[in-house]
Order: sequence, then structure tokens, then C-alpha cells
Amino acid sequence: DADVTQTPRNRITKTGKRIMLECSQTKGHDRMYWYRQDPGLGLRLIYYSFDVKDINKGEISDGYSVSRQAQAKFSLSLESAIPNQTALYFCATSDLRGISYEQYFGPGTRLTVT
Amino acid sequence: KNQVEQSPQSLIILEGKNCTLQCNYTVSPFSNLRWYKQDTGRGPVSLTIMTFSENTKSNGRYTATLDADTKQSSLHITASQLSDSASYICVVSAAGGSYIPTFGRGTSLIVHP
Repeated sequence: DADVTQTPRNRITKTGKRIMLECSQTKGHDRMYWYRQDPGLGLRLIYYSFDVKDINKGEISDGYSVSRQAQAKFSLSLESAIPNQTALYFCATSDLRGISYEQYFGPGTRLTVT
Repeated sequence: KNQVEQSPQSLIILEGKNCTLQCNYTVSPFSNLRWYKQDTGRGPVSLTIMTFSENTKSNGRYTATLDADTKQSSLHITASQLSDSASYICVVSAAGGSYIPTFGRGTSLIVHP
């Protein structure tokens, strides 16, 4: 089984709807991240969490919220989806130990807001 | 502001040829630099990591170089294969603080038969 899983993998929703993207990991890592990827813009950080009690905004957090339900679970919510939130969303994890901080990415969720 | 710039934005080469991708960064103080490979529709996967004291590191047909003085890195791909078609992302982490990495926008490589 994959170390970092995301559900759903694809989602089409309408403007104004609330939607939740879920991420689970079996790597035992403390840190988890949510990114969005748009063509030509690369990966941009939405939120990150260093542990269950620590949540931090990234560079593009407006319109999003997150919940760290457990060490292994980190959810991203769009309270009222809008078309410019159409993008590919990635969850990632990394380990606090050592200096390498390699990030392990999930397979992505393709979200379309119509 | 920490920034990572990659060039070229896209590249098309023939199978079997070599190519070099470039990464310039302004992240300071420097901790490490990673190159990730992202296949279409998938999450990025780490190819190499380089710290301040390392100049060259290889991973099969991939060789990364780092010049910490000029804040430049390159990724050289030797004898390209069709499976090398992907986006290659340069990611730089700063030392101290939260260690949140800064991502480049990537170079899209297409290898034609």
C-alpha cells in the first residue's frame, strides 16, 4: 500500500459547495503539508502542520482551512469552492529527524470547480 | 524573499541524448537542495539531495551539481530514455527556523523517440 494516500483522486464540484480533501500516511512522520499545483506556477504551499497541535498557514491559505485529526491524518477543506480553486492538490509528509527533510508526496487530487 | 528559478521552462530532446537543467536560488542561509522528478499526474519523487559541502551527486543516469558560492545547481541527464519525460523540480531548504522548502516552478522535459 502507498505510504501517503489521498481521497478522492478526482472531484468535480460546483461553485459555493463545501468540499473536503483527505490525506492519510503510514510513514509515521510528524510533518504534513498541503500544496496546490497549477500549470506554469509550480507547487504552492497552502497549510502545514508540525504535529497534531501545530497548524500553520502557507503562502496561499485564503479560502482554505485544515484539520489535523491525528498524526496520520490531515484534511483540507474548501468552505465555499470557487472556480479559481480548480487545481491539482498534493499532500506531503516529512520527518523531523535529520536535516534532509525529504518530502513524500501523495498521488494528488484533481479538483474541478464549475 | 527566498526564491528558486529554473531554466529552461521546457525542453524537448531525442532519446539517447544528454541534457542539463539549471536551478538558481536565493535561499539563505542554505541547508540543502533537492531535485524531484514528477511524472504527469503523479506526486514528485526525490532524485537527489545536496548539502553545502557537496559538489556532485549521482543517482544512476542523473547527476546533480551544486555551486554554493554562486547559488547554482544543475541536473544532468545522460543517455535519456522515454521514461525521463517528466517535470524536474528544484527545491531548496533554508537552515534554521521552520525548514519550509522553497520550490522552483520546474522544467518540463519531453524525450522523443
